[in-house]
Amino acid sequence: EAGVAQSPRYKIIEKRQSVAFWCNPISGHATLYWYQQILGQGPKLLIQFQNNGVVDDSQLPKDRFSAERLKGVDSTLKIQPAKLEDSAVYLCASSTARWRETQYFGPGTRLLVL
Amino acid sequence: AQSVAQPEDQVNVAEGNPLTVKCTYSVSGNPYLFWYVQYPNRGLQFLLKYITGDNLVKGSYGFEAEFNKSQTSFHLKKPSALVSDSALYFCAVSLLSNNAGNMLTFGGGTRLMVKP
Repeated sequence: EAGVAQSPRYKIIEKRQSVAFWCNPISGHATLYWYQQILGQGPKLLIQFQNNGVVDDSQLPKDRFSAERLKGVDSTLKIQPAKLEDSAVYLCASSTARWRETQYFGPGTRLLVL
Repeated sequence: AQSVAQPEDQVNVAEGNPLTVKCTYSVSGNPYLFWYVQYPNRGLQFLLKYITGDNLVKGSYGFEAEFNKSQTSFHLKKPSALVSDSALYFCAVSLLSNNAGNMLTFGGGTRLMVKP
């Protein structure tokens, strides 16, 4: 069974530029999550989708971050404009629709904002 | 609000010795508890989880964890450490959110160093 795929793996941009990350969840997983992991900290949830609807985006900085999952499969997370403090690893995870189920993580995208 | 604490930034253990990585949690309700491991430049890998039932949970790679409700703890253990166990370990707690979500709240992580 293929795992969660993410691209790119690494990205370096200058502040005020925009960037987008892509995630393809495990086949059949209805729930998709985006987490931000700042160096030395645990991951923090940014947004959760159930199929193509948003379940929880309370911790997403909506003035600069946006995410979509138009067809209920792949998802894109965008930052525009980026700030220095956005430097982090962005992790995508997926799970089956049932709550309490295990979330499986992709390898992450490491973003460096200069 | 739910929270997780991992009181040790780093745990050092000799290969072959038992290891314990500590985790305590705070939730208002019944917690669902998870352990993940992260190797360099890799995503998080699932080790084990406690949902309900037996307080001793067995997981991947010989790891186990003990749920202790009175002490609100969920410590990760392994009887005999391997050098290859050296990695960053995260404890996480999940509660059904107000929006019927499944948000994981992670601790800050504990780096496990196993020396030959």
